[in-house]
Amino acid sequence: NAGVTQTPKFQVLKTGQSMTLQCAQDMNHEYMSWYRQDPGMGLRLIHYSVGAGITDQGEVPNGYNVSRSTTEDFPLRLLSAAPSQTSVYFCASSLHGYNEQFFGPGTRLTVL
Amino acid sequence: AQTVTQSQPEMSVQEAETVTLSCTYDTSENNYYLFWYKQPPSRQMILVIRQEAYKQQNATENRFSVNFQKAAKSFSLKISDSQLGDTAMYFCAFVGEEMNYGGSQGNLIFGKGTKLSVKP
Repeated sequence: NAGVTQTPKFQVLKTGQSMTLQCAQDMNHEYMSWYRQDPGMGLRLIHYSVGAGITDQGEVPNGYNVSRSTTEDFPLRLLSAAPSQTSVYFCASSLHGYNEQFFGPGTRLTVL
Repeated sequence: AQTVTQSQPEMSVQEAETVTLSCTYDTSENNYYLFWYKQPPSRQMILVIRQEAYKQQNATENRFSVNFQKAAKSFSLKISDSQLGDTAMYFCAFVGEEMNYGGSQGNLIFGKGTKLSVKP
């Protein structure tokens, strides 16, 4: 099993550009989520999904979109990047919400 | 709203000694789960230990153990025989069981982290 994979590992964008952060898991987990990590802030939930076709907002959803067409994939879209979105982004999955969450390796995003 | 507080932004310990990291949380739920995650310089998030609130026995994993005080809403992590490889950020996290049924299944709430340095 590859676990949770994320691409890319690093990305630099200009303000206003759009991009998609990819996340995939091969563990047949129902629950998937996206977090952002900023210095001194811990990890904050952006969006989450409890199964294919079901998504919802977390604590900091503004500026991000998600969709979940398959169990395996949960991409995060930045529609118009802003410097405030400079952060490290983590995707995570778990069998059920209260089980251990497995994290991907993270994507470091810089918006200039 | 649930909150998780880690009051020690940074700590250091000598190799082979014992260190305790503090975590407190606030919730009105009776059933919930608590976690400690480790984030080394590689950035990877690694689960260290997990505690179910309905279990009175403190969880242990090799050199890692917790002191879970439900009434005080405290969940500290003790690392025994500290090793250089324990140098990392440590995050305390909470998920409430009722949050599952409310549709926010599995939404971890993290503390801001404690940076632990193990010195040779």
